[in-house]
Amino acid sequence: AQTVTQSQPEMSVQEAETVTLSCTYDTSENNYYLFWYKQPPSRQMILVIRQEAYKQQNATENRFSVNFQKAAKSFSLKISDSQLGDTAMYFCAFAQGGSEKLVFGKGTKLTVNP
Amino acid sequence: GAVVSQHPSRVICKSGTSVKIECRSLDFQATTMFWYRQFPKQSLMLMATSNEGSKATYEQGVEKDKFLINHASLTLSTLTVTSAHPEDSSFYICSARDSHNQPQHFGDGTRLSIL
Repeated sequence: AQTVTQSQPEMSVQEAETVTLSCTYDTSENNYYLFWYKQPPSRQMILVIRQEAYKQQNATENRFSVNFQKAAKSFSLKISDSQLGDTAMYFCAFAQGGSEKLVFGKGTKLTVNP
Repeated sequence: GAVVSQHPSRVICKSGTSVKIECRSLDFQATTMFWYRQFPKQSLMLMATSNEGSKATYEQGVEKDKFLINHASLTLSTLTVTSAHPEDSSFYICSARDSHNQPQHFGDGTRLSIL
C-alpha cells in the first residue's frame, strides 16, 4: 500500500521569507500523481499544486513550487515570499494513476509570523 | 470553476438522530465523489467512494449501514449518518472530480457534534 510521510509536524517562517515543507512517499508504481493541499483554519481543503509523475519538470504555481525527486520518492513544497495568509495545515497527497483514492500525509502546520 | 458546496456546515443533535449531509458540484458534473472524515489535528481518512448511479465503495472498517451514501445524480451525493452517537462526532468533508485523473475539489466540510 502507498504511504505518504510528512516528517515536520509544525514549522514557522517569517513573512516574506521562503520555507520548504518535506514529503516522502512509498510506492512501487510508475504512474501516479502528487498533490499539496492547504487547509486554513476555515477547514476548507484547497489544492495548491499538482505533479504528474511522468513529468520531469517541477510544477510551479506563482509563489509555490515543488522539488520532485522521483528516484528518492521525495516531493517537497517551497513557498516563496511567505504571506500571513499562507498560515495553514499543508497536506501532501498521493494518487495512483487509474486509481481514485487520495492518500494523505499527516500534515504540517505552517505558521507565518509578521 | 470547480466549486463544491457542502451543506450543512455545522450540525448539533441528540444521540440517536440520523443526520444527512449534502455534497454538490456547482459548475461541473461529478462522476465520482468522495467522503472523508477528519478527527481533530489529524489527516483526512477516506470513508467511501461514491459513483453516480451505483453503490458506494466503502473503505475497510467503515460501516456501510451506519454511513449511508447516495449518489443519485451527477451533481449530488449525500451521506447519512444513521442513529448517530457521540463517537460519530467529527469533521466530514466531501470532494468531487469531473473526470478521471483530475484533481479532487473539496467542499467546506461539516462539523457534526452528537450530544
